[in-house]
Amino acid sequence: AQSVTQLDSQVPVFEEAPVELRCNYSSSVSVYLFWYVQYPNQGLQLLLKYLSGSTLVKGINGFEAEFNKSQTSFHLRKPSVHISDTAEYFCAVRRQGGKLIFGQGTELSVKP
Amino acid sequence: ETGVTQTPRHLVMGMTNKKSLKCEQHLGHNAMYWYKQSAKKPLELMFVYNFKEQTENNSVPSRFSPECPNSSHLFLHLHTLQPEDSALYLCASSQDLTSGMSGELFFGEGSRLTVL
Repeated sequence: AQSVTQLDSQVPVFEEAPVELRCNYSSSVSVYLFWYVQYPNQGLQLLLKYLSGSTLVKGINGFEAEFNKSQTSFHLRKPSVHISDTAEYFCAVRRQGGKLIFGQGTELSVKP
Repeated sequence: ETGVTQTPRHLVMGMTNKKSLKCEQHLGHNAMYWYKQSAKKPLELMFVYNFKEQTENNSVPSRFSPECPNSSHLFLHLHTLQPEDSALYLCASSQDLTSGMSGELFFGEGSRLTVL
């Protein structure tokens, strides 16, 4: 079965520093990959997705992620974070014809 | 006003109570979903409805009973729940199942359920 591993449950970082949130998935052909963000007391919101094409995907709020097939990873990055980026981030994967499977989430805490 | 509205935002119930969670979407979508979000666990898909018809029941216990009277409304009826059912229940919608599978899900803010 498809699975998703978010390697860090919590990531504290200072404002304006770069950040990388890691996501690995179990190998499969034709996977589709997603990152969602959940701000405090809110539902999830799609941040970006990889369906096909360029392996570098740009999303909202200055985030980007790179699909690395050989390493089965889809890490999320931002060169300079803001306090407002404090939230929980979920990686999700779906193989063709399959269900959307979510990771356990990474809490990003941006400190001044 | 958000596109997907869930009520109540918080609910505390005993194991013998019967209650319902409500979800309403104002986006003109045709597919609606219930997810369960427990602490430190991945989101779990519970039910999927497409044009009011249930298309997926992800082995959910019968003490959870969904209802979709129209494409804009989705309910989750709860009865004889267990303490381990305490969680955040998220409703989501998508234009259709295809866009849902492309990740284009719009989530509500969730209903925080505590079972005593």
